[in-house]
Amino acid sequence: SYELTQPPSVSVSPGQTASITCSGDKLGDKFASWYQQKAGQSPVLVIHQDIKRPSGIPERFSGSNSGNTATLTISGTQTMDEADYYCQAWDSSFVGVFGGGTKLTVL
Amino acid sequence: QVHLQESGPGLVRPSETLSLTCTVSGGSINDYYWSWIRQPPGKGLEWIGYIFYTGSTNYNPSLKSRLTISVDTSKNQFSLRLTSVTAADTAVYYCARGGYTYGQGYFDHWGQGTLVTVSS
Repeated sequence: SYELTQPPSVSVSPGQTASITCSGDKLGDKFASWYQQKAGQSPVLVIHQDIKRPSGIPERFSGSNSGNTATLTISGTQTMDEADYYCQAWDSSFVGVFGGGTKLTVL
Repeated sequence: QVHLQESGPGLVRPSETLSLTCTVSGGSINDYYWSWIRQPPGKGLEWIGYIFYTGSTNYNPSLKSRLTISVDTSKNQFSLRLTSVTAADTAVYYCARGGYTYGQGYFDHWGQGTLVTVSS
C-alpha cells in the first residue's frame, strides 16, 4: 500500500519560515493537499493540488511538490499557526492516503 | 457556506454495527463526492471511503469487507455503516466533502466530528 511519511515534529521561531515535508514514492506525479488541525478542532484545508490556497487561507502558506517530496512552507510563522499538519494524496487505486502528521511548535 | 453535521450513537458494543449519518446543509449533495475520515484518539487521520451523489463508491481496502457508504439525495445525507466493530474502531469520525476525481481530490469542507467509542 502507498505510504506518506512526515517528520513527527517541527519547531520554528515566530516570524521565521517553517517547512514541513511529506515523502512518498513518486509523489511528485500525484497531487498533494495539506490540512491544518488545531487542538480539539476539525482539519482545515490549507493547500490543494500542490500549490493552490483556498479562499481565506493566508498568503504565508505555500506548497510545492516534486520528485518524491511535497513541502508545506509557512513564511513569517505566527503563534496561531501552531497545529498538527497532515499531507494527503491518492494512490493508483484511488485510495486516499494521509501522512502521519507533523506537530508544528512555534516558540 | 456548506455545513456538514455528523450524527449517530457515541457508544457501540464490540461485534455490533457502527452507523453514522452526515447531513449536508447550505448546498446540494448533488455533483460532489463525499467522504468519511476517522481519527483514533491521539493519532492521525485515516481515510475510510467516499461516495458520489450517484451512489458510486470507493473504500479503504483495510475496511472494505465491513464497510458500506450510502447516499440519500432526497434528504441531502450520506451514511456510513461499519460492521463487526472492535476497540480499534474507536475514533472521532468526520464527514467531509471531497473525493478522487479527474486525477485529483481534496477535502474542502469538514464536519465537526463525532466520537464513537467501542466498548462493552
